[in-house]
Amino acid sequence: EVQLVESGGGLVQPGGSLKLSCAASGFTFSGSAMHWVRQASGKGLEWVGRIRSKANNYATAYSASVKGRFTISRDDSKNTAYLQMNSLRTDDTAVYYCTRSYDPPHFDYWGQGTLVTVSS
Amino acid sequence: EIVMTQSPATLSVSPGERATLSCRASQSVSSSLAWYQQKPGQAPRLLIYGASTRATGIPARFSGSGSGTEFTLTISSLQSEDFAVYYCQQYNNWWTFGQGTKVEIK
Repeated sequence: EVQLVESGGGLVQPGGSLKLSCAASGFTFSGSAMHWVRQASGKGLEWVGRIRSKANNYATAYSASVKGRFTISRDDSKNTAYLQMNSLRTDDTAVYYCTRSYDPPHFDYWGQGTLVTVSS
Repeated sequence: EIVMTQSPATLSVSPGERATLSCRASQSVSSSLAWYQQKPGQAPRLLIYGASTRATGIPARFSGSGSGTEFTLTISSLQSEDFAVYYCQQYNNWWTFGQGTKVEIK
């Protein structure tokens, strides 16, 4: 059974940092690209960024709204992806989902999401 | 950035009726188009990819069509479990989502 389990969400002050984790099982994690997608309350889905596999040099890409503030990494030995979020702003408040893409790069597996609230 | 526009924003349909959802891309995305279903408090679920290929386990009442800039998701006979929000997504040039269509009970 495929599972993606996010953790690390919570309340953080504006300007603060938070690191999310996404633990994967049930599929070949090392060969997959991993993405983060967020959703503000009552709003639509927004792609945040992705990290490719080792075969693709762990290449990362980010949306314009988070570039320079967020960093995605992965540890294939732990089947875990990470989202390091720095310089957080109130408009980063959202549920953050991790999701997987393979080939073609649609998102076939999703985690249950973790809530990040940025507020003073 | 490719902008995805979905219509209508809300679709009121009676159970057993047909629902047709539209998605338009601001430039061609070829067939690199997926549809997702999201119910309240749940993660999105992949329904369709490649514009018309059903994902594993998706019932045959869901079908997708289109290419280039115009796409359609059709639910042939709505069941109670189909009332949800539906998003289209292009993955031809990075990844962007439409704003969603809410399918509600009429």
